[in-house]
Amino acid sequence: DAGITQSPRHKVTETGTPVTLRCHQTENHRYMYWYRQDPGHGLRLIHYSYGVKDTDKGEVSDGYSVSRSKTEDFLLTLESATSSQTSVYFCAISESVNGEAFFGQGTRLTVV
Amino acid sequence: AQSVTQPDIHITVSEGASLELRCNYSYGATPYLFWYVQSPGQGLQLLLKYFSGDTLVQGIKGFEAEFKRSQSSFNLRKPSVHWSDAAEYFCAVGAGNFNKFYFGSGTKLNVKP
Repeated sequence: DAGITQSPRHKVTETGTPVTLRCHQTENHRYMYWYRQDPGHGLRLIHYSYGVKDTDKGEVSDGYSVSRSKTEDFLLTLESATSSQTSVYFCAISESVNGEAFFGQGTRLTVV
Repeated sequence: AQSVTQPDIHITVSEGASLELRCNYSYGATPYLFWYVQSPGQGLQLLLKYFSGDTLVQGIKGFEAEFKRSQSSFNLRKPSVHWSDAAEYFCAVGAGNFNKFYFGSGTKLNVKP
């Protein structure tokens, strides 16, 4: 299995609070991604990174920000959590263009 | 724009029966195609991938998929389904310079004894 660790694995938070999810990889892969998974929508790309400090928005980026200060860490921040951000969040990594993605175990976030 | 369609939300097959899960994609250039499987509460595991060459690709757990450019399809098949194959299956296309992945909405497979 690819060395990807997501933390925390489960979190319950209140509406309006900031939340940070962490993805840590030990594979030294260049590309990192944050997806959210919701029933009936599959996985939708929130943000991605193509190198240290190089990030860009995906298709559902509103309300989220990311940072990548080291190759191994990719942080996803919900600036002010809303109930619509209740979801399962997956981090993925990929070594190169046209390489496959490897996924973490996911973080289940509930916003109450 | 890139998109992936999995027309079947749920499929039920009997154990030992054959399986075909459908996937259609929309992408302007040569696609890089993937099938992933997800068991409940788990992350996604790669079953197989198509980059180029032979249009019939073999994957893990006895799965195969066939790329048909004329139909923009990449259907997943298995000749004999086992109860342990019950899971959700996702088709994906990899695209662009930044290797972004676009996923279908998934097909949940139920296996009857």
